[in-house]
Amino acid sequence: AQSVTQLGSHVSVSEGALVLLRCNYSSSVPPYLFWYVQYPNQGLQLLLKYTSAATLVKGINGFEAEFKKSETSFHLTKPSAHMSDAAEYFCAVSDIFGTGTRLTVIP
Amino acid sequence: DVKVTQSSRYLVKRTGEKVFLECVQDMDHENMFWYRQDPGLGLRLIYFSYDVKMKEKGDIPEGYSVSREKKERFSLILESASTNQTSMYLCASSPRLKGRGVLAKNIQYFGAGTRLSVL
Repeated sequence: AQSVTQLGSHVSVSEGALVLLRCNYSSSVPPYLFWYVQYPNQGLQLLLKYTSAATLVKGINGFEAEFKKSETSFHLTKPSAHMSDAAEYFCAVSDIFGTGTRLTVIP
Repeated sequence: DVKVTQSSRYLVKRTGEKVFLECVQDMDHENMFWYRQDPGLGLRLIYFSYDVKMKEKGDIPEGYSVSREKKERFSLILESASTNQTSMYLCASSPRLKGRGVLAKNIQYFGAGTRLSVL
């Protein structure tokens, strides 16, 4: 069975600050892990995916995530938040989605 | 660019009505999905199809059915709409992962969603 947990339903950061969105997963097989972003009134779009080729995965818009098998984590980071990053972010294991984290960026 | 199109952005229906939500993708993807999205619950899979006329139940199939008569089109049907089916419905498609079996999950491409209100 697979499951995913996102810690923190809301995260606020100042513009220019580090963004860290947490995701832990559970999987009995090597996982396919994804981060998606949803802007207001839109569907989800892929930020990045992990498919076992490399543990540090770079995505669009300056985001990256690191797969840590020992911690069963796949946290999403961005060194410097931009106002346009305000959105809801979903971590997924295959087609199982977390409950989402809403990111607010404070000017 | 992959395009997944949902026929309506907003729908208002009455309790007991039969409701059809349509989804079309233009990238010849094998897999198609229907989710509902509710605050605090994230996305929950209703049904999934990995080929024409094939379907698999997701986590919350009760009260829903689906139809996939053509590869590009996946319909979600609410036989008798109820107020607890008021939600945002998202359709997605994905290509099959080569060599991983029909149920392996790849990147999904989402439509813009249909916000359904059942009164």
